[in-house]
Amino acid sequence: AQKVTQAQTEISVVEKEDVTLDCVYETRDTTYYLFWYKQPPSGELVFLIRRNSFDEQNEISGRYSWNFQKSTSSFNFTITASQVVDSAVYFCALSDTQGGSEKLVFGKGTKLTVNP
Amino acid sequence: DTAVSQTPKYLVTQMGNDKSIKCEQNLGHDTMYWYKQDSKKFLKIMFSYNNKELIINETVPNRFSPKSPDKAHLNLHINSLELGDSAVYFCASSQVRYNSPLHFGNGTRLTVT
Repeated sequence: AQKVTQAQTEISVVEKEDVTLDCVYETRDTTYYLFWYKQPPSGELVFLIRRNSFDEQNEISGRYSWNFQKSTSSFNFTITASQVVDSAVYFCALSDTQGGSEKLVFGKGTKLTVNP
Repeated sequence: DTAVSQTPKYLVTQMGNDKSIKCEQNLGHDTMYWYKQDSKKFLKIMFSYNNKELIINETVPNRFSPKSPDKAHLNLHINSLELGDSAVYFCASSQVRYNSPLHFGNGTRLTVT
């Protein structure tokens, strides 16, 4: 069965600190996608990134970067120079495509609080 | 120009009532979903529809009945509401054959008293 583990339940940092959110996954599929979503206090789910299992290149988008390591089944997310607006719950997710439909298996989320 | 919209945003009702949540997407996606987020923030899929056909049904009580009149709409009807149904329900859509990510609606917070 597919599983996503986000071991960090809550993280608290001071503004401008770098912070890494960990994500470890389990799957028997050879092709899969990994995702990160952000859920700010307002409650909506915001898509951040999708990574194909065949693409192990790290990705950087502004202050966000992602490190995908297939050897350790990890897809970690780093925020550089954190800001108060980064405070949110962050979810890592793994896809499972079934019959023309894509099911996401979510981790339990990491609540990040960035203090001024 | 909201991509995935669901109504209502808040729904407060008493046990035993029947209620519906509506969802519409204007992204042209062929697959729509309902996810449930419980009080501990855990997100879990309930249903998915591809071109109006039910694809995924994740051990959800049959009091929950999704209905997809067309591929742009997926409504969720809940009969005989129970206290444990209190949660945030998210609608989402994607275009699976183009490997698009799921786009979520803003959620409906259901409170059963």
